[in-house]
Amino acid sequence: DTAVSQTPKYLVTQMGNDKSIKCEQNLGHDTMYWYKQDSKKFLKIMFSYNNKELIINETVPNRFSPKSPDKAHLNLHINSLELGDSAVYFCASSLGSTGLGSPLHFGNGTRLTVT
Amino acid sequence: RKEVEQDPGPFNVPEGATVAFNCTYSNSASQSFFWYRQDCRKEPKLLMSVYSSGNEDGRFTAQLNRASQYISLLIRDSKLSDSATYLCVALKTSYDKVIFGPGTSLSVIP
Repeated sequence: DTAVSQTPKYLVTQMGNDKSIKCEQNLGHDTMYWYKQDSKKFLKIMFSYNNKELIINETVPNRFSPKSPDKAHLNLHINSLELGDSAVYFCASSLGSTGLGSPLHFGNGTRLTVT
Repeated sequence: RKEVEQDPGPFNVPEGATVAFNCTYSNSASQSFFWYRQDCRKEPKLLMSVYSSGNEDGRFTAQLNRASQYISLLIRDSKLSDSATYLCVALKTSYDKVIFGPGTSLSVIP
């Protein structure tokens, strides 16, 4: 199936741990994103990559480090997890830039719970 | 002022009703507009783009009002399956950040 897939779907971990979330898209899209949706349901952009190049880096703690080995993959590594990192993290992709009318295709989300 | 604002609702409407949401954007240079739909505990999905002249897709109609800087979504003959959160997006340029509004929650009740 063509899609944006991210793993794991659920992640429960303790404060201070380091964890990674993986994302892959087989849609042939050029641009990939990470979004965070907190308990109040606000969906906020964190990072955006176009053809492996970082183009958007929002005000995100440097404990969060994205890595794009190729344009089909965008992983998110989080160091020293904190309680406030608990949220749903969505990976997304688009063909070209969204400003040209390309919609975002989202993965199913990773529900991160930090205890 | 936030870049994109929406009334969070919830809007509780009976089946068959017509309901409309507005979304205001702060930057007059915004060029591209979209409505996304997010079901509970699911990912957002594109519902429809919003064109300058307005556009319709079945029971859904999207409008753009540049003078007042808002977009609207009208849903006619509401179905139970329309219950979801509706998110709007306004973009300025090609690689603009895709900023979502906070969403409007709709519950269609039998």
